[in-house]
Amino acid sequence: DAGVIQSPRHEVTEMGQEVTLRCKPISGHNSLFWYRQTMMRGLELLIYFNNNVPIDDSGMPEDRFSAKMPNASFSTLKIQPSEPRDSAVYFCASSFGGLASIAYSYEQYFGPGTRLTVT
Amino acid sequence: QQQVKQSPQSLIVQKGGISIINCAYENTAFDYFPWYQQFPGKGPALLIAIRPDVSEKKEGRFTISFNKSAKQFSLHIMDSQPGDSATYFCAAMRSGGSTLGRLYFGRGTQLTVWP
Repeated sequence: DAGVIQSPRHEVTEMGQEVTLRCKPISGHNSLFWYRQTMMRGLELLIYFNNNVPIDDSGMPEDRFSAKMPNASFSTLKIQPSEPRDSAVYFCASSFGGLASIAYSYEQYFGPGTRLTVT
Repeated sequence: QQQVKQSPQSLIVQKGGISIINCAYENTAFDYFPWYQQFPGKGPALLIAIRPDVSEKKEGRFTISFNKSAKQFSLHIMDSQPGDSATYFCAAMRSGGSTLGRLYFGRGTQLTVWP
């Protein structure tokens, strides 16, 4: 299994530009989580999906951030317009389970992250 | 509001020593407590986890101690090795209800083991 795949691994962009981060969860997993990691705030949950449906987006910092999951194998996190304070490492994680599942794994598998730098 | 509080923020231990990281939580509905390990440039990965029906779980050199009445749990790394140098996150989850597997993470502890 290839694990959770994120792209790009590194992104450098100028303030005001649109940034799109991509994630492919592990096949068969039905929960997907987007996190942001910074030295100041640690690991923050931005949004998570179950069966492609957003469950909780209360961690999304502001309207400049949006996330979609059009199908079970792909999700995007978009920042428009980007600002220097958005500079961070963004992680995607996936897991198996949910309300409709008999069993639940609980373990979240993290991708390698996307290091975003906004200048 | 931080649902899980972790300390210390950083820890330096001599090779062969014991590393201890502590976490505390308030929500008594939490019923799953994992620890994640993160190496530089990598995503966090599950290290060990415990449910509140036991007070201790051991896997190799790693042990979780759980105190339900105090709402605290800790990670002990015995015979710490330089390869254990990483950032460690405690977390908590309510397995039922509408949260659907959401983990609440502590702020992390950066462990350095000197050879």
